[in-house]
Amino acid sequence: DTGVSQDPRHKITKRGQNVTFRCDPISEHNRLYWYRQTLGQGPEFLTYFQNEAQLEKSRLLSDRFSAERPKGSFSTLEIQRTEQGDSAMYLCASRGLAGSQETQYFGPGTRLLVL
Amino acid sequence: AQSVAQPEDQVNVAEGNPLTVKCTYSVSGNPYLFWYVQYPNRGLQFLLKYITGDNLVKGSYGFEAEFNKSQTSFHLKKPSALVSDSALYFCAFAYSSASKIIFGSGTRLSIRP
Repeated sequence: DTGVSQDPRHKITKRGQNVTFRCDPISEHNRLYWYRQTLGQGPEFLTYFQNEAQLEKSRLLSDRFSAERPKGSFSTLEIQRTEQGDSAMYLCASRGLAGSQETQYFGPGTRLLVL
Repeated sequence: AQSVAQPEDQVNVAEGNPLTVKCTYSVSGNPYLFWYVQYPNRGLQFLLKYITGDNLVKGSYGFEAEFNKSQTSFHLKKPSALVSDSALYFCAFAYSSASKIIFGSGTRLSIRP
């Protein structure tokens, strides 16, 4: 499968614990995006990278959230001291350089449940 | 605030009938408009997008969308619905081809046999 992959697909954790999610974009896609989707809502933008540079962060991304893309390939999203309100689906998307005809391709998501 | 609105939480259609999922936008300039579909336990799948040009955009799985600037709408349509079209549909926009995508709240489409 050459699509966007995310790991793990599901994560259950206790409040206060740290969690880390990984996203592997489509090969050679230089842009990588993170979104969060809560039940009954559309996805909300969190942050995006062009290669290894983090170019934009949403105000939804509190100090407890950090994202990295150290080599411009895969990315990680870490949540420290998780809260019940962090329970959501975390989606990753990637996009190539093919101009305006290109679009974002989404991974299957990581569903987080904070108890 | 710049946004897209999906006025219907749920749309129910009989198989074989035409379907329409509504979207209106409140975005300045010339936004890129999208439709995505989400099946249970799966990620978002791109259906189609409007940039400029022909107001009727054709996409995947037989879907099309009509851009109407005067009504600021971008409704999703299909001439003959299939049961397998049952899913959650999101209208969305972006300010450029590479910028973040801003999604509507979604419409659940249910096709009955």
